[in-house]
Amino acid sequence: EAQVTQNPRYLITVTGKKLTVTCSQNMNHEYMSWYRQDPGLGLRQIYYSMNVEVTDKGDVPEGYKVSRKEKRNFPLILESPSPNQTSLYFCASSLRQGFKEQYFGPGTRLTVT
Amino acid sequence: DAKTTQPTSMDCAEGRAANLPCNHSTISGNEYVYWYRQIHSQGPQYIIHGLKNNETNEMASLIITEDRKSSTLILPHATLRDTAVYYCIVRGGGATNKLIFGTGTLLAVQP
Repeated sequence: EAQVTQNPRYLITVTGKKLTVTCSQNMNHEYMSWYRQDPGLGLRQIYYSMNVEVTDKGDVPEGYKVSRKEKRNFPLILESPSPNQTSLYFCASSLRQGFKEQYFGPGTRLTVT
Repeated sequence: DAKTTQPTSMDCAEGRAANLPCNHSTISGNEYVYWYRQIHSQGPQYIIHGLKNNETNEMASLIITEDRKSSTLILPHATLRDTAVYYCIVRGGGATNKLIFGTGTLLAVQP
């Protein structure tokens, strides 16, 4: 089954404790991205990757890092999480840049205390 | 990317057609209209997209006016599982894949 998976689905952590949210897709998609969703602000893009070893900032990249060492994986790294990063995070992928349809993962709900 | 305007919420009876409007009066010639939906905190789901012509797939139909300033998403036979927030997004065909989600329309399908 074609899908985008994220782990963990739920995470409660403390300020400053490094964490990684994994994202994996099994569709051989070139393009992957991360969004965060906050009440009243909608979904905002954090980082995106057009292919292996090619990443770039989205609209709200501060406090986040990403890497794309393999085509299928696009982890989101919070080196020193802060409470303002409490949010619902979604990973998305599409066949290539400019392709119309994007597939989203199920989401990761992160709480930083 | 052009701005879109959608009603905040709509109701629809189960089994009836749901017609969700979207206004995008500043759309430019190379911008597509996309529809996604999000069922209660799940990941957004692609529904359909179009440029000029009306489009239909297994999920929905998209009707775009001739001047392209507005469009309507039609779910022909709404079910309770169609209750979701529906987002109308306008984006250039050659742009990055970034999707700008507005506040969308909360469609409540009533039994």
